[in-house]
Amino acid sequence: QKEVEQDPGPLSVPEGAIVSLNCTYSNSAFQYFMWYRQYSRKGPELLMYTYSSGNKEDGRFTAQVDKSSKYISLFIRDSQPSDSATYLCAMSAVRNTGNQFYFGTGTSLTVIP
Amino acid sequence: DSGVTQTPKHLITATGQRVTLRCSPRSGDLSVYWYQQSLDQGLQFLIQYYNGEERAKGNILERFSAQQFPDLHSELNLSSLELGDSALYFCASSVAPPTGQATDTQYFGPGTRLTVL
Repeated sequence: QKEVEQDPGPLSVPEGAIVSLNCTYSNSAFQYFMWYRQYSRKGPELLMYTYSSGNKEDGRFTAQVDKSSKYISLFIRDSQPSDSATYLCAMSAVRNTGNQFYFGTGTSLTVIP
Repeated sequence: DSGVTQTPKHLITATGQRVTLRCSPRSGDLSVYWYQQSLDQGLQFLIQYYNGEERAKGNILERFSAQQFPDLHSELNLSSLELGDSALYFCASSVAPPTGQATDTQYFGPGTRLTVL
């Protein structure tokens, strides 16, 4: 079983729609949860970063973490064509030997004008 | 622009060969991470260096090795290359807290696309 599972999509939505992206994980030691956006042929860029459970909002983006269900979500409101990209979830646990990050395989999103 | 640079952008080589990928972290970042991204496996953590020392190891093959130099740039060496090593290789850097404390933000470079023929 992979540490992090993410539906690869692809996901196609009309402009202005609300997008929901999700990941599940198996390691209860994960405490830090991140969402990265990756445009084609570019490196991933950090969108949101949350610690433990709860919600975090940043503009049109909301990240949710439910540690009891081992489930995280990213919501995009009023989606724009510029949001078309691959979205990667990532997680890490603090260890004495350093922080190892585990990434989902990414969900490809297309927002149609 | 994340401030992380990687060279070369593209690399085409043959099976059995050896290549070196280079990464310069953002100014002030002490930690460097290497990742491999392929279509079927996603982004796989390979190895982390902090201020010249290996800190964490992921799914890195024995044919692969890395190091971080005193000026904090890092190199990833891939040897005895196989067709399956064709992938995007990313370097990321972060300030990195002391061991055992909170994780921090990683900034990714543009990647090196390796093609093994």
